[in-house]
Amino acid sequence: GDSVTQMEGPVTLSEEACLTINCTYTATGYPSLFWYVQYPGEGLQLLLKATKADDKGSNKGFEATYRKETTSFHLEKGSVQVSDSAVYFCALSFYTDKLIFGTGTRLQVFP
Amino acid sequence: SQTIHQWPATLVQPVGSPLSLECTVEGTSNPNLYWYRQAAGRGLQLLFYSVGIGQISSEVPQNLSASRPQDRQFILSSKKLLLSDSGFYLCAWRLPGGANQPQHFGDGTRLSIL
Repeated sequence: GDSVTQMEGPVTLSEEACLTINCTYTATGYPSLFWYVQYPGEGLQLLLKATKADDKGSNKGFEATYRKETTSFHLEKGSVQVSDSAVYFCALSFYTDKLIFGTGTRLQVFP
Repeated sequence: SQTIHQWPATLVQPVGSPLSLECTVEGTSNPNLYWYRQAAGRGLQLLFYSVGIGQISSEVPQNLSASRPQDRQFILSSKKLLLSDSGFYLCAWRLPGGANQPQHFGDGTRLSIL
């Protein structure tokens, strides 16, 4: 069945470092892909999305490109801030009413 | 614009007591509605979802139930809580009609069972 695999965390970075959080998916067709962020004690917020191959989603300095060839949707940011510390979830949606989530990756950014 | 409200924000209940968590959405009609549970430091587990009034799909058999008495109201209930019901409960909504629609989440209810 459809699934999402995220890199294990925590990812620990210094402020202004570059970030990549890997996400790969398994699906029988071409799903829509999403990144969500969860700050401590809060619900999930949609960070960005891409609905077809080669689409690039971007928001708040984060980017992710829908790569059909490698079935990937890696999250990137050129310079992280302490305020980016959170848990990041990759998810896919494919002709169902449900989202399939990865297990989440915790990011810790230190000054 | 659309908004989603969940309450209460935190709840402490004894084992064996009943539960009722409520979620309402404003600013849209006929949304898909979802209940998730998140154990401490873990990922999301879909519990129930609904595509219309009175239509409930259960993903995980357990002592919880869900109801949708009105178009934009989704309720999570239990008759007798277990210790294992502790967690962070999230409600979400989504516009119907297509896989490219994201889900939008409420602020969650933190439930502690004593």
